[in-house]
Amino acid sequence: GEDVEQSLFLSVREGDSSVINCTYTDSSSTYLYWYKQEPGAGLQLLTYIFSNMDMKQDQRLTVLLNKKDKHLSLRIADTQTGDSAIYFCAERTGGFKTIFGAGTRLFVKA
Amino acid sequence: EAQVTQNPRYLITVTGKKLTVTCSQNMNHEYMSWYRQDPGLGLRQIYYSMNVEVTDKGDVPEGYKVSRKEKRNFPLILESPSPNQTSLYFCASSSLIRNTGELFFGEGSRLTVL
Repeated sequence: GEDVEQSLFLSVREGDSSVINCTYTDSSSTYLYWYKQEPGAGLQLLTYIFSNMDMKQDQRLTVLLNKKDKHLSLRIADTQTGDSAIYFCAERTGGFKTIFGAGTRLFVKA
Repeated sequence: EAQVTQNPRYLITVTGKKLTVTCSQNMNHEYMSWYRQDPGLGLRQIYYSMNVEVTDKGDVPEGYKVSRKEKRNFPLILESPSPNQTSLYFCASSSLIRNTGELFFGEGSRLTVL
């Protein structure tokens, strides 16, 4: 069935780059998303990529999509303590269903 | 301000005592959905609605009910809560016209069933 997998934890030093990886199973995905969840809050869309794109850059964020391997990554350049949060990878499958991964908790050490 | 509002934010209840978590959105979105978030499991969809009077089961609907009598409201009903429904619940909405599928989330409702 449809599944999205991502590692649960990532720890980086302030100023380094963070790379969060995700794999998904549905080859008919139209959109892939990265959502951010800060403590005590709901999820907010960070960025998304359409399935016919390989890369999307938005300021410090770079999203890479390898459709052949069904692999999505989010790179955060110059990671700051304010980037500490849970990052969810998600895919939009056929119809209007969005499948979420378990979330990667990013720790940023000062 | 565009938002999704859930109430209550925190609730402790006992097994079997019916409760309702309300959700309201002010963005005129057609699509609304309920998720539960559990450690290590991410978000799992409970129910969703594509428009008024149109609802359907998600992946984990057992023990829950919903209704969509008005476009802006989508309450989640637990007729007889059990401890395994202790979780963090999120309501979300989205436009079906703007096709990116971006979901707008409420701040969450943390429910504890004793």
